[in-house]
Amino acid sequence: SQQGEEDPQALSIQEGENATMNCSYKTSINNLQWYRQNSGRGLVHLILIRSNEREKHSGRLRVTLDTSKKSSSLLITASRAADTASYFCATDGVETSGSRLTFGEGTQLTVNP
Amino acid sequence: DGGITQSPKYLFRKEGQNVTLSCEQNLNHDAMYWYRQDPGQGLRLIYYSQIVNDFQKGDIAEGYSVSREKKESFPLTVTSAQKNPTAFYLCASSMQARGNQPQHFGDGTRLSIL
Repeated sequence: SQQGEEDPQALSIQEGENATMNCSYKTSINNLQWYRQNSGRGLVHLILIRSNEREKHSGRLRVTLDTSKKSSSLLITASRAADTASYFCATDGVETSGSRLTFGEGTQLTVNP
Repeated sequence: DGGITQSPKYLFRKEGQNVTLSCEQNLNHDAMYWYRQDPGQGLRLIYYSQIVNDFQKGDIAEGYSVSREKKESFPLTVTSAQKNPTAFYLCASSMQARGNQPQHFGDGTRLSIL
């Protein structure tokens, strides 16, 4: 079963606006990762946040993690047309001893020029 | 450049046929993974390998088989027992099979039924 569920399923914004995507999960985790996938390509790792961290930044990306609500958000600031892609969260569940990731179903982001 | 190479990019399978998808990495990673992605959906884990000569079933292993005879290679065979094989298949690797490490992905193989 899918551990992570992204919300919204699809998001369309104008260039320059901020984009926020949310991920909820069901069981306790060690870490949470965000990935990006361009159409027809493989996934690219964006950022990892550990369960004892609340916020992390990387360039225009800001990730938050609330383990009490079992949720994470990915914020992309000052979006560009090149940010158009699907974004997935992936969790490293305590019950699997960290040996594997479980991916959500993704948010399709479209940034209009 | 280091990375993961998947081949072929497109593959067609006839009824009753087994097909093998290739995945090679030159990142010196111990762990390798195979995922299946259906349209508009996330990734589901088929098999993963933490080290050479070892592999474990993921969530949807039925109808698939793998081998890990070399560190660099983790081929996936889609057998005739897999009745709905049409999907996008992604191979990934990480330094170790641990959730605090990023996974590196190939660009996928798209499998269709003839």
